[in-house]
Amino acid sequence: AQKITQTQPGMFVQEKEAVTLDCTYDTSDPSYGLFWYKQPSSGEMIFLIYQGSYDQQNATEGRYSLNFQKARKSANLVISASQLGDSAMYFCASRGGSGGGADGLTFGKGTHLIIQP
Amino acid sequence: DSGVTQTPKHLITATGQRVTLRCSPRSGDLSVYWYQQSLDQGLQFLIQYYNGEERAKGNILERFSAQQFPDLHSELNLSSLELGDSALYFCASSAGPPRGELFFGEGSRLTVL
Repeated sequence: AQKITQTQPGMFVQEKEAVTLDCTYDTSDPSYGLFWYKQPSSGEMIFLIYQGSYDQQNATEGRYSLNFQKARKSANLVISASQLGDSAMYFCASRGGSGGGADGLTFGKGTHLIIQP
Repeated sequence: DSGVTQTPKHLITATGQRVTLRCSPRSGDLSVYWYQQSLDQGLQFLIQYYNGEERAKGNILERFSAQQFPDLHSELNLSSLELGDSALYFCASSAGPPRGELFFGEGSRLTVL
């Protein structure tokens, strides 16, 4: 079974600073995918970025990048030049495992990020 | 806009009642997933359908049931509601391989009084 651990329940960061949100995963599958989602206070879940286990390079999407360290089983999300609108819950997820169904995602508990002006 | 539509957005009902939540996946997506999000349990996978067939089951209670119709929309039925069923219920559809990311609807917030 897959397991996702996010050790930071909450973080306060100054606007314009870079932010790193931690995520470790536990899987025995040789092939897997890792995802990050953002959930603002309005409630919707927004897909941010994906990293495949065989991808040679770290994924990037605009201000989001994923610091993927396969040997450590970590997939940390980095947000550069944080903005007030980045304040939200952030969830790390992996594909597969009993928590997500045949093709679904298993989610961590999330990190509540607050950007301060 | 994710392309996944959920109705209703908000629902308030009493204990013992039954409700139906509806979901329309993104055009072309065959898989539909239902998740429950509560403060104490986080995001819990309930059930997955693929092209009308149940594909995987998670922590779904026996009081809950779901189905996916030929037009691929899905319904989640919650019966004999209890206070603890109050939560945000998400439907998501999948883009499929190779990435398989889920696209979520805005959720249906259920309050049981």
